[in-house]
Amino acid sequence: DAMVIQNPRYQVTQFGKPVTLSCSQTLNHNVMYWYQQKSSQAPKLLFHYYDKDFNNEADTPDNFQSRRPNTSFCFLDIRSPGLGDAAMYLCATSRDRVDGEQFFGPGTRLTVL
Amino acid sequence: AQSVTQLGSHVSVSEGALVLLRCNYSSSVPPYLFWYVQYPNQGLQLLLKYTTGATLVKGINGFEAEFKKSETSFHLTKPSAHMSDAAEYFCAVTAGYSTLTFGKGTMLLVSP
Repeated sequence: DAMVIQNPRYQVTQFGKPVTLSCSQTLNHNVMYWYQQKSSQAPKLLFHYYDKDFNNEADTPDNFQSRRPNTSFCFLDIRSPGLGDAAMYLCATSRDRVDGEQFFGPGTRLTVL
Repeated sequence: AQSVTQLGSHVSVSEGALVLLRCNYSSSVPPYLFWYVQYPNQGLQLLLKYTTGATLVKGINGFEAEFKKSETSFHLTKPSAHMSDAAEYFCAVTAGYSTLTFGKGTMLLVSP
């Protein structure tokens, strides 16, 4: 089945220690998104790629970076995680931006010690 | 710009009762509207969507929603709740080339 895969499902890191979360998709979609979701809140868009075109949300901290080396893969790098970065990180894809329908991965739960 | 308001952060129903989750939107252009469901420690799963055409939209798991332009609403309903419906539900809107804007979510609690 075509899908969005996130690894790992659970990640524990230490305060200030860089961490990378990965996302892959077999849908061959043009757009990939990264969201941060804290407990009992809506997902908050961090950034998205339309093909290789990177789009950063205005309020996304510089501590968060992303890479998309090819259509299938996208990475979220947190350069110096703080306690406030503990959250669920969701990757999603869509065929294009106009369609709007997004397909989500299962998420990575990040814990910062 | 667009926005979504979900009325009620928590809704409690008994098993077998009608489920009604409310969503109102604001958009300056014709919107596309979505309902997603999220189970604990899972990603979001699309329940249904409205783009154009028929205003009553049927989705998975017996859910449906009706787009009412005059009321700027897109409420989600299910005639008979099941224990497995307990989850968090998000209404979302997109318009034109914009990205999805989510509501704050409604937690559905189902009691036996």
